Amino acid sequence: GAGVSQSPSNKVTEKGKDVELRCDPISGHTALYWYRQRLGQGLEFLIYFQGNSAPDKSGLPSDRFSAERTGESVSTLTIQRTQQEDSAVYLCASSWDFGEAFFGQGTRLTVV
Amino acid sequence: AQSVTQPDIHITVSEGASLELRCNYSYGATPYLFWYVQSPGQGLQLLLKYFSGDTLVQGIKGFEAEFKRSQSSFNLRKPSVHWSDAAEYFCAVGAKEYGNKLVFGAGTILRVKS
Repeated sequence: GAGVSQSPSNKVTEKGKDVELRCDPISGHTALYWYRQRLGQGLEFLIYFQGNSAPDKSGLPSDRFSAERTGESVSTLTIQRTQQEDSAVYLCASSWDFGEAFFGQGTRLTVV
Repeated sequence: AQSVTQPDIHITVSEGASLELRCNYSYGATPYLFWYVQSPGQGLQLLLKYFSGDTLVQGIKGFEAEFKRSQSSFNLRKPSVHWSDAAEYFCAVGAKEYGNKLVFGAGTILRVKS
């Protein structure tokens, strides 16, 4: 596609439910990132996929968070048993081997 | 470990005044560097990038940045700020030696006074 696509754009969920957020990177991009941005805050790194290497999961805040990526395509970020503090905008970005990251518009997650 | 520091959380400048946003990095390798801008309610947009060569790089919207290896800095500048420049600015650094993972600074919020 022309850019990084994230879905849904908005998600409201009840506390305790699981959610899945999807990211379609730019075709051919080997690297994919997930970030979290709470209201008025900076970018919080979550996870980094690079080609066939083991993902860098060092930013995942708890074992309720997980992410998968199929080859060099779609990635899914899953949050289990959502909590109110998980409310944030979740941003996905992709890039070539080295180069600038192209960001999607994000998924705004609200946990009520 | 690699780190990126943006020392100023908030900066306020008057419209028409010059601007400099600071970015310092700590990397044990030759980095490549970026500046991104996030306008209110918008996604992140690339302003400029440095990989190699001329250490003064020009970007969009009249911004420029200078890579200073001796100071481990990549400061963003603009000679005359416009009200539409009010946004949050993020510096990002990567290096091949660290798996090309981009590390972002905490951001600097720019306010423009009329």
